[in-house]
Amino acid sequence: KQEVTQIPAALSVPEGENLVLNCSFTDSAIYNLQWFRQDPGKGLTSLLLIQSSQREQTSGRLNASLDKSSGRSTLYIAASQPGDSATYLCAVKETSGSRLTFGEGTQLTVNP
Amino acid sequence: DTGVSQDPRHKITKRGQNVTFRCDPISEHNRLYWYRQTLGQGPEFLTYFQNEAQLEKSRLLSDRFSAERPKGSFSTLEIQRTEQGDSAMYLCASSNLLAGGSTDTQYFGPGTRLTVL
Repeated sequence: KQEVTQIPAALSVPEGENLVLNCSFTDSAIYNLQWFRQDPGKGLTSLLLIQSSQREQTSGRLNASLDKSSGRSTLYIAASQPGDSATYLCAVKETSGSRLTFGEGTQLTVNP
Repeated sequence: DTGVSQDPRHKITKRGQNVTFRCDPISEHNRLYWYRQTLGQGPEFLTYFQNEAQLEKSRLLSDRFSAERPKGSFSTLEIQRTEQGDSAMYLCASSNLLAGGSTDTQYFGPGTRLTVL
């Protein structure tokens, strides 16, 4: 059974700092991995999706990497801003069209 | 394309009552998923449909839960005889699984927050 773990559970940083969020998964036979953002009481917004054949994806200040063989992904946020404060979730999909298995999330607070 | 919508956004009910939630997927998306999220946890898969066929159900989906997707469009999730442990955010997502494969990105709705008193 696939298990996804995110470290740290919570992170508080000053504005402008670069930061890394970590995600690990137990079964490396994945189809893709996705990073989401969730604001309090809201739904999920997709940030980046990495196919199993890819090593990284970039969008603006965000960069996600994937090391499938070791079962790890990182989300790098450059020059953090207070508006980045949210919970960040990673999720893996094991086959095309199947369910997502989520980690518990990292709650990020960026202080002005 | 207005995105995935869910109704109601909030529902407060008393223990033992039945509740029904609705999800409208992105137009022409053939896959529809239901997830449940409790406070401080990541979403957990409940069930999914391809068109009108329910293809998989999680063991989390007890006999009190039933989901339908008539005509392969909107979906409903009903919980009978609600319990306090059912209190959670219920999230719906849709995707378009094309023949030949695709990224099959799931787009999530805003969720329905259920509180059982």
